[in-house]
Amino acid sequence: AQRVTQPEKLLSVFKGAPVELKCNYSYSGSPELFWYVQYSRQRLQLLLRHISRESIKGFTADLNKGETSFHLKKPFAQEEDSAMYYCALSGRKDAGGTSYGKLTFGQGTILTVHP
Amino acid sequence: NAGVMQNPRHLVRRRGQEARLRCSPVKGHSHVYWYRQLPEEGLKFMVYLQKENIIDESGMPKERFSAEFPKEGPSILRIQQVVRGDSAAYFCASSPQYRAGSPLHFGNGTRLTVT
Repeated sequence: AQRVTQPEKLLSVFKGAPVELKCNYSYSGSPELFWYVQYSRQRLQLLLRHISRESIKGFTADLNKGETSFHLKKPFAQEEDSAMYYCALSGRKDAGGTSYGKLTFGQGTILTVHP
Repeated sequence: NAGVMQNPRHLVRRRGQEARLRCSPVKGHSHVYWYRQLPEEGLKFMVYLQKENIIDESGMPKERFSAEFPKEGPSILRIQQVVRGDSAAYFCASSPQYRAGSPLHFGNGTRLTVT
């Protein structure tokens, strides 16, 4: 079974401090992992995905298969980073071997960055 | 591009009534997903549809819930004889043909309250 765990429901840091949002997953195959973000009064949107190895808004996340983790990090948090963050996993393949958007979400972490 | 449109934003139903939730995907997207978020929980997959076909309904409760995505018009999530436990936020997402790492585009959700 697929599972995503975000152990911190709430995370508070001060502006300029480093931030790390933890995500651990359980999946027997080869997962695709994502971070989605929901800013206040906005819809859920993709922040970044492990397959792209990209940095978005200063955030990075590295897939660690040994530790089954996909932690989200930013060296210097900004007030505008305050939001709800969800880690998500896609591991389902159709008969042709193609992934589709069936995501397993963690419970989310509310990040608050104080001035 | 208005993105994924869901309506209504808020829906109040008495126990035993029917709830119909609508989702218009991003123009050109032929894949629709429904997710449910119960209070204090993450989003949970319910169903994945392509035009006129249900591809994966493994997350749908066995009774009272149904979904469709007709050739013309929005996708509909229908809940018959609602109970208090159906109170939740229901999110729709869409995508074009899915490729590894492709983002889902989410709507703002419909918040169903059963009184």
